[in-house]
Amino acid sequence: EVHLEESGGVEVRPGGSLKLSCAASGFTFEKFTIHWVRQAPGKGLEWVSLIGRDGSQRFYSESVKGRFTVSRDNRKNSVYLQMNSLTTEDTALYYCAKEHSSGWPNLDTWGRGTLVTVFS
Amino acid sequence: SSELIQVPAVSVALGRSVSITCQGDSLSMYYASWYQQKPGQAPTLVIYNKYNRASGIPGRFSGSGSGNTASLTITGAQAEDEADYYCNSRDSSGSRLVFGGGTKLTVL
Repeated sequence: EVHLEESGGVEVRPGGSLKLSCAASGFTFEKFTIHWVRQAPGKGLEWVSLIGRDGSQRFYSESVKGRFTVSRDNRKNSVYLQMNSLTTEDTALYYCAKEHSSGWPNLDTWGRGTLVTVFS
Repeated sequence: SSELIQVPAVSVALGRSVSITCQGDSLSMYYASWYQQKPGQAPTLVIYNKYNRASGIPGRFSGSGSGNTASLTITGAQAEDEADYYCNSRDSSGSRLVFGGGTKLTVL
């Protein structure tokens, strides 16, 4: 069964840093681009970042560019999101999602999310 | 523009049909996908590449589109279809994704 599980979400102060992890199983991990999508409480979905199959392709939304860094370790079937200079605007449930075999923007498997709370 | 516009809320009577639309400049260049999200759950892919149903999605869901508009249609809405629906696509640069603001579907 294809499965993604996020971890690492905690409460943090503004200006702080955090690293999220996304552990994958049930599929050939190195063949798929992985995305991060977040959802602020009571709000809609916001795309954050993607990382290509070998890690050489990385893109970010304007709202996180320069502060967040995505990486992956194909030996560990994992993707990471290093989040720096956090603000209260970054408070959200962070999902990792796997692209469909037809490519992105089609995201066919999502984790349950990990909650990041930035409070002053 | 990188924006995808959705009507915030739509309602439909049980068993009737309803369409949810998504508008954006990038849709004239790239396909849209549609996601269903129920309270407390992660999103689920419903339609990909404009009109393809994802695995396990009932046949009452269909996708279409023309120009800068994409549509999700539910033919014979069921109570379990009550959810938030989001469209997404690449933005105009082609190197980022963008989601619509979401449409809350109420089945009456």
